[in-house]
Amino acid sequence: AQTVTQSQPEMSVQEAETVTLSCTYDTSENNYYLFWYKQPPSRQMILVIRQEAYKQQNATENRFSVNFQKAAKSFSLKISDSQLGDTAMYFCAFMGRGTSYGKLTFGQGTILTVHP
Amino acid sequence: KAGVTQTPRYLIKTRGQQVTLSCSPISGHRSVSWYQQTPGQGLQFLFEYFSETQRNKGNFPGRFSGRQFSNSRSEMNVSTLELGDSALYLCASSLDGSGYEQYFGPGTRLTVT
Repeated sequence: AQTVTQSQPEMSVQEAETVTLSCTYDTSENNYYLFWYKQPPSRQMILVIRQEAYKQQNATENRFSVNFQKAAKSFSLKISDSQLGDTAMYFCAFMGRGTSYGKLTFGQGTILTVHP
Repeated sequence: KAGVTQTPRYLIKTRGQQVTLSCSPISGHRSVSWYQQTPGQGLQFLFEYFSETQRNKGNFPGRFSGRQFSNSRSEMNVSTLELGDSALYLCASSLDGSGYEQYFGPGTRLTVT
């Protein structure tokens, strides 16, 4: 079974600064997908970024980028130029390729607060 | 495109009753997954449907069931409600459930008293 661990329950950052959220996972699969989702106080889950494990290049989406270290099973999220609207709970998630149809395995989440 | 919609948004039920939640996926998406979110257990996968077939199931008792219709809309049902079933129930749709992005609905907040 896969597990996803987010070791930082809470983090805070000043507006315009950079913050990195950590995520590690455990799997015996070689092909899989990794995701970061954010859940603001409205509770709507929003996809931030997606990474395919067989791609070496780290995914980026505007101010969001990941550092994917497959051998270390690490998948951290870097948020640059933090904005007040980035305040949310962030979840790291894993999906195996093959028979894990539609199943995301989530970490426990990191609450990020951006201060003005 | 319209996003994923869930109805109702809020529900209050009594222990022992049953409840049905509905999810309409993004147009063109054929896979619908359901999740339960609680403060204690976090986000847990319930099941996934594709082309009216359940392809994957999480570790929940048989009181939790679901189905999918030919238009990809999905329902989940919880029978004999328990206090511990109080949670935010999220559904997510994707093209085919095989690693494409999942897009979530706003959730249904279920309170069991």
